[in-house]
Amino acid sequence: RKEVEQDPGPFNVPEGATVAFNCTYSNSASQSFFWYRQDCRKEPKLLMSVYSSGNEDGRFTAQLNRASQYISLLIRDSKLSDSATYLCVVNGRGGSQGNLIFGKGTKLSVKP
Amino acid sequence: GAGVSQTPSNKVTEKGKYVELRCDPISGHTALYWYRQSLGQGPEFLIYFQGTGAADDSGLPNDRFFAVRPEGSVSTLKIQRTERGDSAVYLCNGGQGGSWQYFGPGTRLTVT
Repeated sequence: RKEVEQDPGPFNVPEGATVAFNCTYSNSASQSFFWYRQDCRKEPKLLMSVYSSGNEDGRFTAQLNRASQYISLLIRDSKLSDSATYLCVVNGRGGSQGNLIFGKGTKLSVKP
Repeated sequence: GAGVSQTPSNKVTEKGKYVELRCDPISGHTALYWYRQSLGQGPEFLIYFQGTGAADDSGLPNDRFFAVRPEGSVSTLKIQRTERGDSAVYLCNGGQGGSWQYFGPGTRLTVT
């Protein structure tokens, strides 16, 4: 089993749609959780951290369920500029703060 | 991103050759990580430096790969006897405190 698994995608949605990304992780000792966004031929960029209480940043909402080892990202009112690959990321292996474990990513295409 | 630079941006080499990839993190940041991203995959951890020493090199795929950070700032990833399977984007992530989530633009290595 991969350490971080995501929906395989791709997701093709119209502008204004709500999109949900799902992710599971295998290491129950993982301590920190993130969503990164990666545009084509660019480096991954931190989108948001994910907290147990859930957190929201504008149109983006992230949720963490530690018991189920499940992470989600919801994008509301999607824009053309949201088109990218979304990477689910956890860390905690050996406690190294920056030792990140990435999922394979889910590609999102938002169409007019 | 966030002041991390990597050179070269692109490197094409022949199978069997030696290559060096450079990462220049934000000045004063003690932690530095190397990742490798193959096509269609998320980044995979290679090695982590704390200061000058490699604190975790468990992600290096084999002994053809080696990395150094002699003065605790710039790091060089060295690959001997390159193989076509080494073709990937090599990403560097360095920082301290809240900056550690930010990647450099990467070096795209192509082995022909």
